[in-house]
Amino acid sequence: NAGVTQTPKFQVLKTGQSMTLQCAQDMNHNSMYWYRQDPGMGLRLIYYSASEGTTDKGEVPNGYNVSRLNKREFSLRLESAAPSQTSVYFCASREYNSPLHFGNGTRLTVT
Amino acid sequence: KQEVTQIPAALSVPEGENLVLNCSFTDSAIYNLQWFRQDPGKGLTSLLLIQSSQREQTSGRLNASLDKSSGRSTLYIAASQPGDSATYLCAVRPGGTSYGKLTFGQGTILTVHP
Repeated sequence: NAGVTQTPKFQVLKTGQSMTLQCAQDMNHNSMYWYRQDPGMGLRLIYYSASEGTTDKGEVPNGYNVSRLNKREFSLRLESAAPSQTSVYFCASREYNSPLHFGNGTRLTVT
Repeated sequence: KQEVTQIPAALSVPEGENLVLNCSFTDSAIYNLQWFRQDPGKGLTSLLLIQSSQREQTSGRLNASLDKSSGRSTLYIAASQPGDSATYLCAVRPGGTSYGKLTFGQGTILTVHP
């Protein structure tokens, strides 16, 4: 059972480039989330999808877009990367009232 | 706005000690509280989930308690081992239609030395 799978694991971008972070879960969870983790700032919610077909902004959505492609997949897109988006990005999923399950993260550096 | 604080920020103990990690939150109107561990370079692994109606949860050597009225939770680790070395985070889920948006603490970095 793979759980939550994120690709890629590492990425280096130049300022202004775009990329999409992929996330897939095989636990049939309804809700999916994107967080970023930064030293001294902790984990902050970027976007979430309460169920298939819905998405909503979290605490720090600026500069990002998301797509809930189907029940399994939830992608995060950076249209024009900025150095401030250098971070570790985590995807997570859960079913109603159950523990949150995280992927292993994507380490993104924007130069 | 919910704020979650974890004390201490770092803890170093010899193997075999029992230890307590603390988590406090400012708004007691929570749905549940979850404890995670994070190993370096890895994602978060869920350890225990306590519903707002519960007082504690146990899993092996781990015991988590919740006092919602005082805004506190503790994670007790019995007979600590070097393999317990990791960052421990707590997160609260607010009540209402929050769709599970968690607020995380900054974490406690635990080092258990042989």
